[in-house]
Amino acid sequence: DSGVTQTPKHLITATGQRVTLRCSPRSGDLSVYWYQQSLDQGLQFLIQYYNGEERAKGNILERFSAQQFPDLHSELNLSSLELGDSALYFCASSVGGRNYEQYFGPGTRLTVT
Amino acid sequence: DQQVKQNSPSLSVQEGRISILNCDYTNSMFDYFLWYKKYPAEGPTFLISISSIKDKNEDGRFTVFLNKSAKHLSLHIVPSQPGDSAVYFCKGANSKLTFGKGITLSVRP
Repeated sequence: DSGVTQTPKHLITATGQRVTLRCSPRSGDLSVYWYQQSLDQGLQFLIQYYNGEERAKGNILERFSAQQFPDLHSELNLSSLELGDSALYFCASSVGGRNYEQYFGPGTRLTVT
Repeated sequence: DQQVKQNSPSLSVQEGRISILNCDYTNSMFDYFLWYKKYPAEGPTFLISISSIKDKNEDGRFTVFLNKSAKHLSLHIVPSQPGDSAVYFCKGANSKLTFGKGITLSVRP
């Protein structure tokens, strides 16, 4: 158990809909990272927040957005969902803003039908 | 991660033997390197790290070696076990955050 929690574990929704994925980092960690793993892709970095502020941005679509709240939990919002958005979404956390040890949550499996 | 590259995409070894996974890097400014292990449908797990001021770090069956002159790092797993079969990623601290394809290790019983 990494100490990072993600909810929900599974999510099934229809195209065009909007969903919110939630992540709680390990106690004491200030950084949260979001990753997407599709069937034919490696682990793609989406975005990082550090202590409430956006720190780094990866291949995140404009339909996707994220934020980190004062209690350090984070939410990833996916809108206008397409079939291709079906994937595993992982959240990770680390102590600082630099990319040292990251601890990953169990992931949320999103299925868009 | 285009600054730290895995040398080969896959490796198959016999249970009980040594597994050696290799990476090369181009950026001499990395002060820290990390190895992660990943099972399918799970997030990566941090495995072991090494500071650039050291040339070796050991943790149980896992040892990471750093050769700064060659800009090369390797992970040794001795003895290899079937449960070590996974995808392994090498990363430089503060490098690009995408994990890439990694090295797929298969340990045969």
